[in-house]
Amino acid sequence: NAGVTQTPKFQVLKTGQSMTLQCAQDMNHNSMYWYRQDPGMGLRLIYYSASEGTTDKGEVPNGYNVSRLNKREFSLRLESAAPSQTSVYFCASSETGTQSGANVLTFGAGSRLTVL
Amino acid sequence: LAKTTQPISMDSYEGQEVNITCSHNNIATNDYITWYQQFPSQGPRFIIQGYKTKVTNEVASLFIPADRKSSTLSLPRVSLSDTAVYYCLRTKYSGAGSYQLTFGKGTKLSVIP
Repeated sequence: NAGVTQTPKFQVLKTGQSMTLQCAQDMNHNSMYWYRQDPGMGLRLIYYSASEGTTDKGEVPNGYNVSRLNKREFSLRLESAAPSQTSVYFCASSETGTQSGANVLTFGAGSRLTVL
Repeated sequence: LAKTTQPISMDSYEGQEVNITCSHNNIATNDYITWYQQFPSQGPRFIIQGYKTKVTNEVASLFIPADRKSSTLSLPRVSLSDTAVYYCLRTKYSGAGSYQLTFGKGTKLSVIP
């Protein structure tokens, strides 16, 4: 099994450009998540999707949009990239979902985004 | 936010047992404690999860006392390959039957030959 696959792995953008980060999971998980990781900050939740057809804001949603395309895929879009969005982005999924206190996440390898 | 507090960094020699303690004073009844490991340029990886008392798997042990205000991840006989950042998380009930996972800054473990 591939688990959680993210594309692209690396991307450089100019300020104001747009792009979409793609994420797909093959574990039939209900819930999917997007986190960003900045030096010394740990991981911060951007958006999540508890189940197909639903999305909710996390801790740092400003400047981002998401789409849960189907059960497998959850994309993150930057409409007008800013240097503050330079970060490593991680997609994750979970079987038990956000309805359980025992939620366990499976992460992708990350996408490194630089905004100039 | 579901805040946890853990040391920023720790050093250990190869072959030693390493204990990383995490405090979560305001843990709620339905919250679990979960630990993740992250190597450079990789996503975090689940290590172990517990609710109370002791949980052990092939990688680590997790000790949670009765008051559940803290937890300790124990890594037996560490090797150089255990050098990584370790995150302690508690779930947080955010309403409408939904729980969230909030990552802290983690503990950077350096294993020394």
